[in-house]
Amino acid sequence: SQQGEEDPQALSIQEGENATMNCSYKTSINNLQWYRQNSGRGLVHLILIRSNEREKHSGRLRVTLDTSKKSSSLLITASRAADTASYFCATDNNYGQNFVFGPGTRLSVLP
Amino acid sequence: DAGITQSPRYKITETGRQVTLMCHQTWSHSYMFWYRQDLGHGLRLIYYSAAADITDKGEVPDGYVVSRSKTENFPLTLESATRSQTSVYFCASGPGTSGGVGEQFFGPGTRLTVL
Repeated sequence: SQQGEEDPQALSIQEGENATMNCSYKTSINNLQWYRQNSGRGLVHLILIRSNEREKHSGRLRVTLDTSKKSSSLLITASRAADTASYFCATDNNYGQNFVFGPGTRLSVLP
Repeated sequence: DAGITQSPRYKITETGRQVTLMCHQTWSHSYMFWYRQDLGHGLRLIYYSAAADITDKGEVPDGYVVSRSKTENFPLTLESATRSQTSVYFCASGPGTSGGVGEQFFGPGTRLTVL
């Protein structure tokens, strides 16, 4: 069974709007990470948030983590067409053994 | 060139044949991983390695063999390929951090088709 589940599965927005993606997981974690995948490419790490952190920012990205609800959200502000990609959350609760990706959210940013 | 590379990028093989996918990283990262990506399943961990000569199973290890005699290489072998192993395979590496695996750096992927 998958540890992480992203929601929604697909999201379509206009350029300039904000995009919010959610991730839920089932067991306790050490950290949670968000990755981006452009079509046909490998994944690129975006941001890591540790279990004792509640919010983290990186440029136009804002990640929150609620360990009591076992959920995280990724907010992309002022979206651009170049943000069109699939976004995955991954949970890390042991050294490699339980590094699990969710099925991803496909984001389309329309010009 | 620094980074993580995979070869071949595309491979077509037949059922029953042995196939080896190569992965090479130049950062001397401790951790290396193999994933497969299929529609509807996201990425699933096949095997990982915490250091040279240390490997362990992930979520979907059946039908695959790995080895890691050198820190920089982590080949994945399909001993007898089956159609269900048609997929895109990604290799990744990471330095590891206190409290977890940490950031992973992904290769470009190998698209494998088993006929």
